[in-house]
Amino acid sequence: GAGVSQSPSNKVTEKGKDVELRCDPISGHTALYWYRQSLGQGLEFLIYFQGNSAPDKSGLPSDRFSAERTGGSVSTLTIQRTQQEDSAVYLCASSPRTGGGYEQYFGPGTRLTVT
Amino acid sequence: RKEVEQDPGPFNVPEGATVAFNCTYSNSASQSFFWYRQDCRKEPKLLMSVYSSGNEDGRFTAQLNRASQYISLLIRDSKLSDSATYLCVVIKNTGGFKTIFGAGTRLFVKA
Repeated sequence: GAGVSQSPSNKVTEKGKDVELRCDPISGHTALYWYRQSLGQGLEFLIYFQGNSAPDKSGLPSDRFSAERTGGSVSTLTIQRTQQEDSAVYLCASSPRTGGGYEQYFGPGTRLTVT
Repeated sequence: RKEVEQDPGPFNVPEGATVAFNCTYSNSASQSFFWYRQDCRKEPKLLMSVYSSGNEDGRFTAQLNRASQYISLLIRDSKLSDSATYLCVVIKNTGGFKTIFGAGTRLFVKA
């Protein structure tokens, strides 16, 4: 079946502009996660959704970052007034449910470059 | 100190060698443990879950030591295709589940 998809695959934007990144999880997966990975670095947890709600937003690096999920499916990560340090690969993952023991399936990521 | 720490490597080993990676975690609320593999410029993919009793999948063996708060991954008879970055993953529950990835250990298997 279809895996996790993300769009766009690449995004180049000017400093100060807003960007929206989209994630389509695997159908039926109730848990959805956002991470970012800077070049040569590990994954940084940003936020996760259980259904449409986000129990833990503490991973978001600043109030310029927000995320929502509607209909228990698609999620968008919005970065307002982008800064150069926001440049990274943003990865989305989904899982049958939250909690331990469940594999997270990753999408291919969106490579964001802020110039 | 990071919550999940791994030796970044790189580990350079010849084909057929046995190689082991360790990963330490600092939070006792950690509940679930995994090893993921990430190829260059690709997304991470699950390699195996890690159980207290230890588990084996072909050439790969994972162990968990809760008392010392570390997990390990052993790769036997290394193949060229094992070259990748291996990510240690810990899920903790502190009123909500949080997934923490280690920075990864790079492995290069040479012919």
